[in-house]
Formats: sequence, C-alpha cells, structure tokens
Amino acid sequence: GAGVSQSPSNKVTEKGKDVELRCDPISGHTALYWYRQSLGQGLEFLIYFQGNSAPDKSGLPSDRFSAERTGGSVSTLTIQRTQQEDSAVYLCASSLVSSRTRGANVLTFGAGSRLTVL
Amino acid sequence: AQSVTQLGSHVSVSEGALVLLRCNYSSSVPPYLFWYVQYPNQGLQLLLKYTTGATLVKGINGFEAEFKKSETSFHLTKPSAHMSDAAEYFCAVSGRDMRFGAGTRLTVKP
Repeated sequence: GAGVSQSPSNKVTEKGKDVELRCDPISGHTALYWYRQSLGQGLEFLIYFQGNSAPDKSGLPSDRFSAERTGGSVSTLTIQRTQQEDSAVYLCASSLVSSRTRGANVLTFGAGSRLTVL
Repeated sequence: AQSVTQLGSHVSVSEGALVLLRCNYSSSVPPYLFWYVQYPNQGLQLLLKYTTGATLVKGINGFEAEFKKSETSFHLTKPSAHMSDAAEYFCAVSGRDMRFGAGTRLTVKP
C-alpha cells in the first residue's frame, strides 16, 4: 500500500480482556517496528522485525505482550489480560533496509491505534 | 546499546525567536541520528537526518541540526519560530533498530 496502515484506530476494552492490533506495512519494506506512545513517556520501543531474522523483543514490557509478523508483511501485536496502564497509542512503522542503507533508514509511521483500557 | 536523551520535555518560545531543542546520544559506533516531528493529531514524520558527511544537516520548514561528536549532541535549531512549528519533536538514533527520545513539546507564543 501507499502507507503504513494500522487497525483499529481506536479500541476501548475492559480490564482483563485480550486485544489484537494490526499493522500493514509499506509493500517491500523489510523492517517493521512497534512503539508505544503514552502521555509524557515519549516513544517506547517494543519490538523490531527485520526480514527473516529473529525479532528484537527487548522492549516488550511484560509477557502479556507478544507480536508476530506473518510472511514478512502484516504484523499483529497482542496484549493479553489488559491492564489500565496499557492504555496508550500503539504506533507501527516500517522501513526499507538494505546493505547499502543499513542504519540510515527512514521510518514511515502509521497513524496509530489508540487503546483505552477501562 | 544506543540511546538518546532529550533535555527538556517542554520548550516555549515567542514567535520569531530562536528555537533550540537539545538531544544527546549514546552510541558505541558512529551513529545515524534523526529528528522526527509530530504535529497535533498527526503521525510522526521525518524532519531531518544525519548519516555521514556534512555535520550540519538541513531539514524541512527551516530546521537544521548539527552533529557534534565531541559533545555527543545533535541539537535541533530554527532561527525564527513560527506558530505552525508548535508540535512534539523526537530525536532518534539508529543502530540495529531505532530508539527515540522522550520527546520535547514546542509551544510558540504569539
């Protein structure tokens, strides 16, 4: 697609429920990132996928959080047994990574999924 | 591990005044550094980036940043603030992945 697409744009759930957030990156982008943006907390790194490499899960805050990327494209972030502190905007970004560009990759962000846990 | 620290969560300037947003980085290898901007109710977009070469980098909307290795800094500046510059600004460093600072909210007073 033309941009990074995230769904749902807004999700309100009850404490204890599971939620799934979806990210559809730009076609051909090999790298995919998930971040969490909370008021006053900036962008918190969650997880990073690059090609067929093992994902960097070092930012996931607890074992209630997991993510997968199927077929090197669409990614799903799952939060189990949601808590009120999980309320935030979850941002997905993708970039094209090559041996030529390496770390100089520009991220393209989606509009985010706003999660509210009651 | 690479990281960035943004000094000041909130900066307020008058219209026409100098804008200075501070960012310091930590990196064990030559860093790639970025500034992203998030306008109200919009997604993040790239403002400028430093990869190699010239240490003074120019971005969109009159912003620029200077990479200073000796100070491990990559501060963002604009000579004259405009009301439309009001936004949240994020500094980022790229290594294996991309790490962002906590952000600085810029307010421009008329």
